[in-house]
Amino acid sequence: GEDVEQSLFLSVREGDSSVINCTYTDSSSTYLYWYKQEPGAGLQLLTYIFSNMDMKQDQRLTVLLNKKDKHLSLRIADTQTGDSAIYFCAERTYSSASKIIFGSGTRLSIRP
Amino acid sequence: EAQVTQNPRYLITVTGKKLTVTCSQNMNHEYMSWYRQDPGLGLRQIYYSMNVEVTDKGDVPEGYKVSRKEKRNFPLILESPSPNQTSLYFCASSFSPANEKLFFGSGTQLSVL
Repeated sequence: GEDVEQSLFLSVREGDSSVINCTYTDSSSTYLYWYKQEPGAGLQLLTYIFSNMDMKQDQRLTVLLNKKDKHLSLRIADTQTGDSAIYFCAERTYSSASKIIFGSGTRLSIRP
Repeated sequence: EAQVTQNPRYLITVTGKKLTVTCSQNMNHEYMSWYRQDPGLGLRQIYYSMNVEVTDKGDVPEGYKVSRKEKRNFPLILESPSPNQTSLYFCASSFSPANEKLFFGSGTQLSVL
């Protein structure tokens, strides 16, 4: 079946890099996404990657995809206090093109 | 401004009292969807709609109804709310089901006593 898993919490010192990890089960993924949810707000798409790509970089964000291990990661360079949020990994698959399956979210907190 | 608007933002109600959460988008999107967010469970899809008059069940549709009479509106109806429907609800839309970008509303925090 379809499942997306991620750890619930991550704490990082300001200025360090944050790496948020995600694993998924459906090998027919088409798109893999990272969404950010700030307190009291809806989800905002941060970045996404096609399943035929290994890496995507967008300013401070780097997404790595390991298809063999079905592992997706989001690296945030030079983490700032404004990066405090819940980060959701999500996938869309060939078998369920009409829906996006979300992980449980990783709460990123920043230490001074 | 392109957006998905949900109302109300907060709602407290009692068991059995019918309620509707409205959702409207101004981007002419074909696809709309409702999710509920619960701690440790992420977002789970309740219902979705591919276009006007076309709706389908998601993963957790029990206790909910939806309608899509117009392209811009996709209300979520709880005919007889129960405490296990206490949750944070999100409406989302995209140009098409396969479109990579899903736009989310700000959420509706529902408490059923």
